[in-house]
Amino acid sequence: DAKTTQPTSMDCAEGRAANLPCNHSTISGNEYVYWYRQIHSQGPQYIIHGLKNNETNEMASLIITEDRKSSTLILPHATLRDTAVYYCIVRLVGTGANSKLTFGKGITLSVRP
Amino acid sequence: SQTIHQWPATLVQPVGSPLSLECTVEGTSNPNLYWYRQAAGRGLQLLFYSVGIGQISSEVPQNLSASRPQDRQFILSSKKLLLSDSGFYLCAWNRGGAGSYEQYFGPGTRLTVT
Repeated sequence: DAKTTQPTSMDCAEGRAANLPCNHSTISGNEYVYWYRQIHSQGPQYIIHGLKNNETNEMASLIITEDRKSSTLILPHATLRDTAVYYCIVRLVGTGANSKLTFGKGITLSVRP
Repeated sequence: SQTIHQWPATLVQPVGSPLSLECTVEGTSNPNLYWYRQAAGRGLQLLFYSVGIGQISSEVPQNLSASRPQDRQFILSSKKLLLSDSGFYLCAWNRGGAGSYEQYFGPGTRLTVT
């Protein structure tokens, strides 16, 4: 799987949008971009994923650049409960070994009141 | 809907003792199953994955083993625990077959080896 690089940490004010960047310059054509988050002492939670088009769901939006070398996860109205470590992961499509996720260190988002 | 269970939630075991952690998934069939470990202050490390009953793949050499005796049951074991086995153990599942299926994680087991 391609590696990703994320800042170590960032913070934002409650109610404002949180924009979390991720670089994946070596991504290949059949690799998806996934985002998970992990709130302290809990298991990771799936947020969103995409291949090349921008995606939106009830939790967040995912913006992928046209060259697919970077992406941004957007939490439109951050709340205190969004404080967590956010992982950007690039994953091959497929079965078995190709289904596994490789977690990096992620970015710690702190939402302040 | 699908749910994933892990137990126990916390465990304190002495060095050299055996270990058995269990994970079960409800509401789906033939899932892919995964065991991850997160050491204190570290990222998640994939330990084992399974695409079917009796099919186990190991990602890293270690003191642990995994088994899948039933379709929706995944067990992590050790014959003799080491201090370095301490950590947060997470089980995950996703739909089997080809595709970009997201993984869903269980609540985890926090293991402290003393």
